[in-house]
Amino acid sequence: GESVGLHLPTLSVQEGDNSIINCAYSNSASDYFIWYKQESGKGPQFIIDIRSNMDKRQGQRVTVLLNKTVKHLSLQIAATQPGDSAVYFCAETYRASGYSTLTFGKGTMLLVSP
Amino acid sequence: KAGVTQTPRYLIKTRGQQVTLSCSPISGHRSVSWYQQTPGQGLQFLFEYFSETQRNKGNFPGRFSGRQFSNSRSEMNVSTLELGDSALYLCASSRSNMAQNNYGYTFGSGTRLTVV
Repeated sequence: GESVGLHLPTLSVQEGDNSIINCAYSNSASDYFIWYKQESGKGPQFIIDIRSNMDKRQGQRVTVLLNKTVKHLSLQIAATQPGDSAVYFCAETYRASGYSTLTFGKGTMLLVSP
Repeated sequence: KAGVTQTPRYLIKTRGQQVTLSCSPISGHRSVSWYQQTPGQGLQFLFEYFSETQRNKGNFPGRFSGRQFSNSRSEMNVSTLELGDSALYLCASSRSNMAQNNYGYTFGSGTRLTVV
């Protein structure tokens, strides 16, 4: 499929390394954040989410950190594998508004070398 | 359980034509949102529907419209196509609107629209 990764910042890592992908969000009122992974030719796939009343949440091999003071979100992937190669997006939303609108970051391309 | 289904997967249209894209949400999901994805602008919100009502709309011209049916399936329409409308159009469904405690958005694989 056509690449969505043109003009994106790229993080290149070796298999087995830990990866950290960063995201600055825009709305200080946002109260819910999601990380998505998008592979070529596919739609974004949910990885992990975090609410604004938390500063850390862990999943399987992934950890999301939230720093509301500086409006910063990060995704840590442990023991990165070639299958993790994709474009990663953070998304924010303001759930209390009652709407489902997600505002996405520009994305980061992760390239994992065997 | 079936995921979000978007049809068609690929579409080529000529400038000035109109196009209709379809999205079938996951069974039980009542909210459908549409996004446009381009390499230059990334993922941009088009509109959201819940229970056949448009609840929110992004900053797109009136040529972009949508609707939702009683079975929660949604369609979006773009009239008078322009070259810049070439993009991947994604829809996402969720069980409820955001006021309730469900955080699951599931995206379809998208419709790749090329305007020539």
